[in-house]
Amino acid sequence: EAGVVQSPRYKIIEKKQPVAFWCNPISGHNTLYWYLQNLGQGPELLIRYENEEAVDDSQLPKDRFSAERLKGVDSTLKIQPAELGDSAVYLCASSPHGGGSTDTQYFGPGTRLTVL
Amino acid sequence: GQNIDQPTEMTATEGAIVQINCTYQTSGFNGLFWYQQHAGEAPTFLSYNVLDGLEEKGRFSSFLSRSKGYSYLLLKELQMKDSASYLCAVRDPDSNYQLIWGAGTKLIIKP
Repeated sequence: EAGVVQSPRYKIIEKKQPVAFWCNPISGHNTLYWYLQNLGQGPELLIRYENEEAVDDSQLPKDRFSAERLKGVDSTLKIQPAELGDSAVYLCASSPHGGGSTDTQYFGPGTRLTVL
Repeated sequence: GQNIDQPTEMTATEGAIVQINCTYQTSGFNGLFWYQQHAGEAPTFLSYNVLDGLEEKGRFSSFLSRSKGYSYLLLKELQMKDSASYLCAVRDPDSNYQLIWGAGTKLIIKP
């Protein structure tokens, strides 16, 4: 079974430029998460989807970040414009059972973003 | 507030045993997870505890005491490949079942 797929693996951009990350979850997993992880820290949730609906986006900085999961499968996270402080690893995860009490999250390899 | 505490770094010797502790204070509790994360890679699921006691899975075991807000991950017969960060996360039903993550414990294995 294929795992969570993310691309690109690495991205270097200049500040104020836009950037987009793509994620394809494990087949059959309805719940998709985007996290941000800084070095030496745990993941921080940005947004959680149940199918195509964003059910928790309270921690997404909506002035510059946006996400979509139009058909309830793959998802895109966008930053526009990027700032120096956005440099981090962006992780995508998926889980099979709707994020409830029995769910385990499976992570993709992440996209390492460097903003210059 | 929500808080997960883990030691920042630990060192152990190949072949030995190490215990990584995690304490938590969250508004609700619906399970505790341990993940392993090698440098530059994604976190991978190790274990899940929702009831008190010890869960054994090969060389790795995880313990939970809900009354003490405490868990540990026990790694036996350490191998060099066990060098990684170990992340503790608590699922909080009061936060829409979100996972509250610790900062992780970096484990260094020496020959």
